[in-house]
Amino acid sequence: GESVGLHLPTLSVQEGDNSIINCAYSNSASDYFIWYKQESGKGPQFIIDIRSNMDKRQGQRVTVLLNKTVKHLSLQIAATQPGDSAVYFCAERDSGGFKTIFGAGTRLFVKA
Amino acid sequence: SAVISQKPSRDICQRGTSLTIQCQVDSQVTMMFWYRQQPGQSLTLIATANQGSEATYESGFVIDKFPISRPNLTFSTLTVSNLSPEDSSIYLCSDLQGNTEAFFGQGTRLTVV
Repeated sequence: GESVGLHLPTLSVQEGDNSIINCAYSNSASDYFIWYKQESGKGPQFIIDIRSNMDKRQGQRVTVLLNKTVKHLSLQIAATQPGDSAVYFCAERDSGGFKTIFGAGTRLFVKA
Repeated sequence: SAVISQKPSRDICQRGTSLTIQCQVDSQVTMMFWYRQQPGQSLTLIATANQGSEATYESGFVIDKFPISRPNLTFSTLTVSNLSPEDSSIYLCSDLQGNTEAFFGQGTRLTVV
C-alpha cells in the first residue's frame, strides 16, 4: 500500500548502529514532548515522552534529549533493528494545553 | 491506555460525495481529536471533538467541510463533505486522558476519484 513519509527527510542506518533523529520545535511555551513511530498503514504509536523540567529520559533502547535553549529535541535509538524502520514524529503540547501538535517527521530506513 | 477503533480503514469515494468516519474508544475519554495526514506529510490537527457541544476547529478547517459529532465519551464521527481529490488523505482520531500522551486509531485512508 501507499507508504507514509514518501516526501519526508530520510535517515538510513546500518542494522546494529545507533540512530539519532532530530526535531526542532517552535513554541517556547511547550512543556511536554512526545516521540511517535508510524509504520505504514498504521496510526502513530507512542515511543517515549519528556517534560520540560527534564533534559534527558531513557526507555528501552531509546533516549530522548531536550534542549530548551535552542528548542531542540532528539531521539536516540540504540542498536537499530530492521523493525525500527518507520516514520518518526516529534510532537509537543503547551502548558495547560491539550492539543498535540506534530513536527515534520523523519523516515528511518534500516539496512540489514 | 484506551483502544481506539476507526472505520472504515479505507474507502474510495466519488468527488462531490461525503464520507463519514467513525471512531470508537473502549473506555470513556475526556478529549477526542481528529487529524489529517496528507500523502508524505505530518499530521495536522483538524479539530477537537467536544462532548455535548460543537467541535473546536483549527485554522483552515471549517465545520461545513468537516462536521464532527461527539454524542458521548466513547464515540465520535468526522464527515468529510463535498469531496474533491485534494481531500485524499489519511484521517486519524486520537484520544487524551489526563496530561499524558495521546493515543491514535489506525487511520482511515480516503481516496477521492
